[in-house]
Amino acid sequence: EMVLTQSPATLSVSPGESATLSCRASENIDSLLAWYRQKPGQAPELVIYEASIRATGIPARFTGSGSGTDFTLSISNLQSEDFAIYYCQQYYGWPRTFGGGAKVEI
Amino acid sequence: QVKLVQSGGGVVQPGGSLRLSCSASGFNFRSYAFHWVRQAPGKGLEWVSAINYDGTNKYYGDSVKGRFTISRDSINNTLHLQMNSLTVEDTAVYYCARDEDAWGTYFFNIWGPGTMVAVSS
Repeated sequence: EMVLTQSPATLSVSPGESATLSCRASENIDSLLAWYRQKPGQAPELVIYEASIRATGIPARFTGSGSGTDFTLSISNLQSEDFAIYYCQQYYGWPRTFGGGAKVEI
Repeated sequence: QVKLVQSGGGVVQPGGSLRLSCSASGFNFRSYAFHWVRQAPGKGLEWVSAINYDGTNKYYGDSVKGRFTISRDSINNTLHLQMNSLTVEDTAVYYCARDEDAWGTYFFNIWGPGTMVAVSS
């Protein structure tokens, strides 16, 4: 099974600052990686798919990059709704797997 | 409006069974694959199962294989997860999610609100 390792586990930033999250895959997954944002008490929400394409309604301050085994999610000008847990997920193979999550906190 | 509405969660004793449902509306149910994803209290997301557009292909995570069965009812636009031989490790919020294609090969674009399953004696 493909293992996704996210770092850091927790990132403390101030509103208006930037955050960079990492996701490393145990083997090549091309660009078949998605990022999800989960706010407290809510279902996850798609943010990025195919490593770098923003989902509908996601603002341009979210940028995804990477391919192969190393991926990054960058968030600039952090807004209150961005303080949440972010998960990466691969859809290259079965079983589908998620990273352990990265919490962006104030 | 594209929507997934979930039902069927609750409290069950170890060894018991439960059936989750996920009712879809606002899109052509028969054109998409679906997944179940769960989240134990305070933990991360775990993919559980998937089914393709016509129910001919089904996939399961190792932790539920042989105990859970995914199915779909295209007359009523509903996805199901039959869970048998439940253990305390199955305690989680269960989400249904729609894939972006018919075969389950893409990401999860639409999520249900989740339903809680608690396995406890």
